[in-house]
Amino acid sequence: ETGVTQTPRHLVMGMTNKKSLKCEQHLGHNAMYWYKQSAKKPLELMFVYNFKEQTENNSVPSRFSPECPNSSHLFLHLHTLQPEDSALYLCASSQDLAGPTEAFFGQGTRLTVV
Amino acid sequence: DQQVKQNSPSLSVQEGRISILNCDYTNSMFDYFLWYKKYPAEGPTFLISISSIKDKNEDGRFTVFLNKSAKHLSLHIVPSQPGDSAVYFCAASAGGGSNYKLTFGKGTLLTVNP
Repeated sequence: ETGVTQTPRHLVMGMTNKKSLKCEQHLGHNAMYWYKQSAKKPLELMFVYNFKEQTENNSVPSRFSPECPNSSHLFLHLHTLQPEDSALYLCASSQDLAGPTEAFFGQGTRLTVV
Repeated sequence: DQQVKQNSPSLSVQEGRISILNCDYTNSMFDYFLWYKKYPAEGPTFLISISSIKDKNEDGRFTVFLNKSAKHLSLHIVPSQPGDSAVYFCAASAGGGSNYKLTFGKGTLLTVNP
């Protein structure tokens, strides 16, 4: 069982829909991340939260809105997405942001925007 | 402008032989390097890492070599097993407070044939 759980695993949404992706980590970590993996592209860091505070927004469009109510939960709210936003969205966590760190990933949400 | 490059999209090896996966980087600030393994429908899982103060790190069948002057690292798997078949991602991070930012390559699909 992975320490990082993402729901849903698959999501199909229209361009006018509003949906949310959920991530939960059971590792006692303080940092959480959203990554995006598009076809034939490397994983791209989107957002970073440390102790519930957003520390990084990697020039992500405002139609993606993260929320971190506590160190164990991370959400990504989606609104008026475009078909090119279809991708695998991965949540990750790490102990903190200090020192070289390995991130632990969830299984991802495969998002399709139609 | 990719800072971490995995130039081989795929690699096929025979069971029991050595698998060598390569990774090149361009950012001389990178000082920590990681390999992740990803099975279909799962998130990436951390495999092995190496700090720039070392040139080799070994963990069981997996060894990572770092050549800083060439800005090149490689992952050796020996002996290769069919269960090693997966996509392998190379990742790197820089110090100076940005240790948590992992820059990923596009991945190499390894197929180990029985």
